[in-house]
Amino acid sequence: AQKVTQAQTEISVVEKEDVTLDCVYETRDTTYYLFWYKQPPSGELVFLIRRNSFDEQNEISGRYSWNFQKSTSSFNFTITASQVVDSAVYFCALSPDLQGGSEKLVFGKGTKLTVNP
Amino acid sequence: AAGVIQSPRHLIKEKRETATLKCYPIPRHDTVYWYQQGPGQDPQFLISFYEKMQSDKGSIPDRFSAQQFSDYHSELNMSSLELGDSALYFCASSPIGQPSYEQYFGPGTRLTVT
Repeated sequence: AQKVTQAQTEISVVEKEDVTLDCVYETRDTTYYLFWYKQPPSGELVFLIRRNSFDEQNEISGRYSWNFQKSTSSFNFTITASQVVDSAVYFCALSPDLQGGSEKLVFGKGTKLTVNP
Repeated sequence: AAGVIQSPRHLIKEKRETATLKCYPIPRHDTVYWYQQGPGQDPQFLISFYEKMQSDKGSIPDRFSAQQFSDYHSELNMSSLELGDSALYFCASSPIGQPSYEQYFGPGTRLTVT
């Protein structure tokens, strides 16, 4: 069975602080995909990143960076110099890698990030 | 770029009524997924369709049914609504056969059962 754990239920920071959102996953699949989604107060799910299990390179996109460590089954997300607009619930998700297609996403419980001015 | 369309965006129903939610995937996407997100919860997978056939099933109540039509749009039919069905229902689509493995989510339908 697959499981995603986001131990941090809520995080509150002051603008310009760096913040890291933790994600730990469990799976018996040898190949799989990991995702991060952002859900602002308006409710939509915004795709942030996808990483497959064979690619352990860290990735940076502007103020966002992701650290994937297969050895510890973690896929952490860091926001540098946080801004008020980063306030949202962030979900980490896991999906098996089925040849030729995607599969259902298993989400973590989410981490609510509040960035205060 | 075209996105996933869901209608209606908001729906208010009374207990024991029925509801139909519609999802129009991105053009050339042939797989549709439905998720239910209760208040303060994470999205939970309900059901998925690939090429108009059910491809996977999650924790979908027997009171719910869904199908995918020839134009690839999908409908989620919910009967005998209960208060606990109040949630945000997301539809997502993905293109099979392409190395993207990404599900594109629609804006969601917020269902309120009173």
